[in-house]
Amino acid sequence: KNQVEQSPQSLIILEGKNCTLQCNYTVSPFSNLRWYKQDTGRGPVSLTIMTFSENTKSNGRYTATLDADTKQSSLHITASQLSDSASYICVVSLPSGNTPLVFGKGTRLSVIA
Amino acid sequence: GAGVSQSPRYKVAKRGQDVALRCDPISGHVSLFWYQQALGQGPEFLTYFQNEAQLDKSGLPSDRFFAERPEGSVSTLKIQRTQQEDSAVYLCASSRRTSGTDTQYFGPGTRLTVL
Repeated sequence: KNQVEQSPQSLIILEGKNCTLQCNYTVSPFSNLRWYKQDTGRGPVSLTIMTFSENTKSNGRYTATLDADTKQSSLHITASQLSDSASYICVVSLPSGNTPLVFGKGTRLSVIA
Repeated sequence: GAGVSQSPRYKVAKRGQDVALRCDPISGHVSLFWYQQALGQGPEFLTYFQNEAQLDKSGLPSDRFFAERPEGSVSTLKIQRTQQEDSAVYLCASSRRTSGTDTQYFGPGTRLTVL
């Protein structure tokens, strides 16, 4: 079964600190890997998208990395802000294209003052 | 519209009732997706439309679930004879084309509670 595992399940950090979220996947082959941010009560919003040939992709304070050999990805958040509190979901797309996407369960990040 | 909208935002149904959930995708988006998200879980794929054609419905959990997009824009997810295990947030997403790298834009979801 294609799976996407994320760790940690939840994380609490102080405002201004950095953090790194992990994603391990068994989906193979795959088309691309995405990270989404989901605020409570809202739909997920895309942060980054990487094809299997890309190693890193940045979006402001968010930097995603991908190691296709070890099937690992990480999302690094720099200088965290209170508004970063959300669930961060790792998503892998199968080679067939848009469908289907395989979602991880997400990491719940809480940034506190 | 500016984004994907869904209605209603919240729905409470008694077990056995039928419900219909609506999704208005971003205007002009070819692809439309439905996902089910249980509490504390990531979204799980239900079904996919390319214009009015339902190309993949492999994620629908039972024949009580039915989705349509008759004119290639608005979509409706219908659940017949709802059960308690149907309680979840139902997310709709759309993307501009059918490319595998296209970003999917999600709506806010409909939270369904079956009593």
